[in-house]
Amino acid sequence: GESVGLHLPTLSVQEGDNSIINCAYSNSASDYFIWYKQESGKGPQFIIDIRSNMDKRQGQRVTVLLNKTVKHLSLQIAATQPGDSAVYFCAENGANQAGTALIFGKGTTLSVSS
Amino acid sequence: NAGVMQNPRHLVRRRGQEARLRCSPMKGHSHVYWYRQLPEEGLKFMVYLQKENIIDESGMPKERFSAEFPKEGPSILRIQQVVRGDSAAYFCASSPTKVRGDTQYFGPGTRLTVL
Repeated sequence: GESVGLHLPTLSVQEGDNSIINCAYSNSASDYFIWYKQESGKGPQFIIDIRSNMDKRQGQRVTVLLNKTVKHLSLQIAATQPGDSAVYFCAENGANQAGTALIFGKGTTLSVSS
Repeated sequence: NAGVMQNPRHLVRRRGQEARLRCSPMKGHSHVYWYRQLPEEGLKFMVYLQKENIIDESGMPKERFSAEFPKEGPSILRIQQVVRGDSAAYFCASSPTKVRGDTQYFGPGTRLTVL
C-alpha cells in the first residue's frame, strides 16, 4: 500500500551543525504534511507543517521543503543542539477524502553529540 | 493551557483481561484520533471520533477493539480479552476542526503491556 517513508533510520551530527532529515512519500493525493519530534517515552510533538501549495516553510531553527515533482519532503534543523536528539517522523494526510487519518513513516533517529 | 491528556500512562494486563485507555482532548477540540505504535515503528491510525460519533474506524481491528467519545467525559479506547500482540503504545490526538489538513496534537500516550 501507499505509505510515507524516510531515507535513513539514523542520523548522527555534531552540536552546532545543520541537520537534514529526508522523507519520501508515494501518495500524490496527499496535500498536507507534518513533521513530528518524538522523545523517548513521550508522545509526538508537532514541529512544523506544510501544505501542497507551498514549496518551503520556515519556523524557528527549522525549515521544511516540499518537492512535489519527486514526492520528497525534508526537515532542516539549523545549529542542531543536544536537545534536538529524538526520533523524527514525517506524516501525510493521504488519499482519504476526509484527510483525517495521518500516515506516518518509520522515523529517523537524530543523535546530537557535543 | 493543558494539552491532550491520557491516562493511565502505563497499564499492565494479563492475557484475557480488558484494557481501558482514556483521552481528554485539548480545550476547544472536539475531534479525537487514536493511533497505535509498535516498538521501533511509526504510528498507525486506528479511529477518528467526534462527540458521540465514530467517523472513521478503518484502522481498528475488527474484533476486541472499540472506541467511544461520549457527550460528557473523555474518549475511551477499549480492548477486550487482550493478547500479547496488543502490547504497544497507544496515542490519542485531537484537533479543533475536521478540515482536511488540520494539525493533530498528541498526548503522552498509554503504554500497554500484556503479560
